[in-house]
Amino acid sequence: AQKVTQAQTEISVVEKEDVTLDCVYETRDTTYYLFWYKQPPSGELVFLIRRNSFDEQNEISGRYSWNFQKSTSSFNFTITASQVVDSAVYFCALSEAQAGTALIFGKGTTLSVSS
Amino acid sequence: DTGVSQDPRHKITKRGQNVTFRCDPISEHNRLYWYRQTLGQGPEFLTYFQNEAQLEKSRLLSDRFSAERPKGSFSTLEIQRTEQGDSAMYLCASSFLVDRALQETQYFGPGTRLLVL
Repeated sequence: AQKVTQAQTEISVVEKEDVTLDCVYETRDTTYYLFWYKQPPSGELVFLIRRNSFDEQNEISGRYSWNFQKSTSSFNFTITASQVVDSAVYFCALSEAQAGTALIFGKGTTLSVSS
Repeated sequence: DTGVSQDPRHKITKRGQNVTFRCDPISEHNRLYWYRQTLGQGPEFLTYFQNEAQLEKSRLLSDRFSAERPKGSFSTLEIQRTEQGDSAMYLCASSFLVDRALQETQYFGPGTRLLVL
């Protein structure tokens, strides 16, 4: 069975701090995809990144970086020099390789960044 | 370039009433998904379409839930005889299928927040 665990329910930081959001997944498939989405208070889920299981290379996009480790089944997300606008709920999601399959989401981590 | 849109954004109804939500996907996206999100949880998959064909509907929560995508463009999700437990955010997502062997990226709309009194 597929499962995504985001153990951190809420995180509070002060602006300019670095913060890491954890994501641990379970799947029996050898080919799968991992995603991160951001959900601001407006409610719309904003796509951040997609990573397939064969690509373990870490990725950096501006202040965002992702660390994918198959050995520990983790796909962690780090925000460097956090800003108030980063305040949102962040979801990690997993899907099987084939197109048209459902995304399995974790329960999300609420990040609050104060000035 | 417009994203996924959903209408209405908010709906308040009384228990037992029927409600219908609409989703307009990103233009030219051939896949459309419906999810439900309850408070404090991640979205939960309900159903999806490729063009006008509904390819998965076993996850619809009960036979009170139904979805259509008659012309392969917009989609509607209907809940009949609503119950208080149906109160949730209903999210629509769309994607463009490139290769059947690859999972595509789903782009989400703003959701419809339903409150059943």
